Amino acid sequence: AQTVTQSQPEMSVQEAETVTLSCTYDTSENNYYLFWYKQPPSRQMILVIRQEAYKQQNATENRFSVNFQKAAKSFSLKISDSQLGDTAMYFCAFMNPFYNTDKLIFGTGTRLQVFP
Amino acid sequence: NAGVTQTPKFQVLKTGQSMTLQCAQDMNHNSMYWYRQDPGMGLRLIYYSASEGTTDKGEVPNGYNVSRLNKREFSLRLESAAPSQTSVYFCASSEVGSSGVNEQFFGPGTRLTVL
Repeated sequence: AQTVTQSQPEMSVQEAETVTLSCTYDTSENNYYLFWYKQPPSRQMILVIRQEAYKQQNATENRFSVNFQKAAKSFSLKISDSQLGDTAMYFCAFMNPFYNTDKLIFGTGTRLQVFP
Repeated sequence: NAGVTQTPKFQVLKTGQSMTLQCAQDMNHNSMYWYRQDPGMGLRLIYYSASEGTTDKGEVPNGYNVSRLNKREFSLRLESAAPSQTSVYFCASSEVGSSGVNEQFFGPGTRLTVL
């Protein structure tokens, strides 16, 4: 069974600094997708970035980028130039649409606090 | 375009009471999902529906039933609520995007407390 592990329950960073959130996963599959979701205090789940496992190039979305290490089964999120609005829970998630359905498997989350 | 909507936003039940959580999406998505979120845990899948007329169990289906009423609506029913079902419930829908990746879009959640 696939599992997703986020080993950092809480992180903090000063505004304008860079922070990296860790995520590891376990799967025997070769093709899959990985996601980072943001959940601000409003509770709304917002997709931040996604990575297709068959792509070697790391995904980037503005200030958000990932370090995808397929052999190590690692998928970390880097937030550059942190902003107060980045304060939220961040969830790493795994999907293998090729196996059965497009179900997401989530990690337990990392609470990020951005300080002024 | 409202996306995924959920009603109610908050609900308090007594043990043994029943209720239905409503979810609707206006994005013409085929797949819909119900998750629950508990403190210290990520979202866990309760049930999902890959298309109108089909439903399947997820990771934590016990104590719940679902109905895919039509393509837009997917409801979650608690027949006899228990304190262990106190949680935040999220509905989501998905479709394969232009990138070829299946993306899930979430509703705002329902906070349910069972006393």
